[in-house]
Amino acid sequence: NAGVTQTPKFQVLKTGQSMTLQCAQDMNHEYMSWYRQDPGMGLRLIHYSVGAGITDQGEVPNGYNVSRSTTEDFPLRLLSAAPSQTSVYFCASSPGGGNNEKLFFGSGTQLSVL
Amino acid sequence: SQQGEEDPQALSIQEGENATMNCSYKTSINNLQWYRQNSGRGLVHLILIRSNEREKHSGRLRVTLDTSKKSSSLLITASRAADTASYFCATVNSGGYQKVTFGTGTKLQVIP
Repeated sequence: NAGVTQTPKFQVLKTGQSMTLQCAQDMNHEYMSWYRQDPGMGLRLIHYSVGAGITDQGEVPNGYNVSRSTTEDFPLRLLSAAPSQTSVYFCASSPGGGNNEKLFFGSGTQLSVL
Repeated sequence: SQQGEEDPQALSIQEGENATMNCSYKTSINNLQWYRQNSGRGLVHLILIRSNEREKHSGRLRVTLDTSKKSSSLLITASRAADTASYFCATVNSGGYQKVTFGTGTKLQVIP
């Protein structure tokens, strides 16, 4: 079992570039989510999904897009990168089913936007 | 603004002492969880308390929940140097899609 796999681990972008952060889980989890972590801010929810085809916005969704075409994958797209999007991004999943009692985290992607 | 806020932001104690961290949140919840993060790595789940519970224990961890005050506390007893990490509370909202939102975290340093 690989758990939650995030790629890439590190990425440097120029302002205005687009890219996709990948997240995959092999635990058949219904719930998947993306967070960004900035110093002193804890983790802030960007987008989340409660199942294939169902996504919703979190606390800080602007500048990011998501889709959930399969149970396993939940990619996060940056449409036009900005320096304010420099952060560490974490993907997490949970069995779901209504209670989300335990999240499993990926190892994170460190993104720098110049 | 974030759902949860924790205090203190940072805590430094001697090995063997107890560490207490507090979390306040804003909306009605289904459950509240505590996570630990070592050095910027992914978070690891520690313990969960449901909205109809007041106290839970797991090893050296004790969690309390006061839904009337929208607050929770995490107590780590007999701390060890290996407990040095950041600790976050997370809440699952009641009703609608049950998303998981985190607090701002407490950075704990345990001095050997």
